[in-house]
Amino acid sequence: AQSVTQLGSHVSVSEGALVLLRCNYSSSVPPYLFWYVQYPNQGLQLLLKYTTGATLVKGINGFEAEFKKSETSFHLTKPSAHMSDAAEYFCAVRMDTGRRALTFGSGTRLQVQP
Amino acid sequence: NAGVTQTPKFQVLKTGQSMTLQCAQDMNHEYMSWYRQDPGMGLRLIHYSVGAGITDQGEVPNGYNVSRSTTEDFPLRLLSAAPSQTSVYFCASQAGGYRTDTQYFGPGTRLTVL
Repeated sequence: AQSVTQLGSHVSVSEGALVLLRCNYSSSVPPYLFWYVQYPNQGLQLLLKYTTGATLVKGINGFEAEFKKSETSFHLTKPSAHMSDAAEYFCAVRMDTGRRALTFGSGTRLQVQP
Repeated sequence: NAGVTQTPKFQVLKTGQSMTLQCAQDMNHEYMSWYRQDPGMGLRLIHYSVGAGITDQGEVPNGYNVSRSTTEDFPLRLLSAAPSQTSVYFCASQAGGYRTDTQYFGPGTRLTVL
């Protein structure tokens, strides 16, 4: 079975500071990994994804994440936080099999202080 | 393209009532799924469909029914609503072929069961 752990249900940073949201996964087969963002009262929007190839992936709004197989991690980073980054972020995993269902982490709410 | 649409946006039910949450997509995607989102638990898969006429259970299927008579529509039925079904429900779709990797989410339906 696959699972996703997001460390820290709430993260607060100052505007301009580094954003680091942590995600660790377990999967018995090579995973596809995703980060989604949810703004208040909205659906989920894909930020970035890792499927195969380059382990450092860049997404929208200046976010990036690095797949580290040895650490089973896929942490999300952004060098400089902006007020508009305040949202909830979800890490998700899908096994490289015929089933396309995603397993989500419990989410991290990012607060950006002025 | 409208993408994935869901109706209604908000709904209040009394215990024991039935209702159908509607989901439609105009991207000709084969794969569709329903998730529920509860605080601190991320999104959990309820049911999914890999094509018209084919559905299967996800992680938390009890109390919910689905059918898929067309590629475009994937309604979720609550036969006898319970307070434990108070949640935000998201529908998602994905193109065919398991190596395609991006799921597109609707805006959600917020359901309260009294």
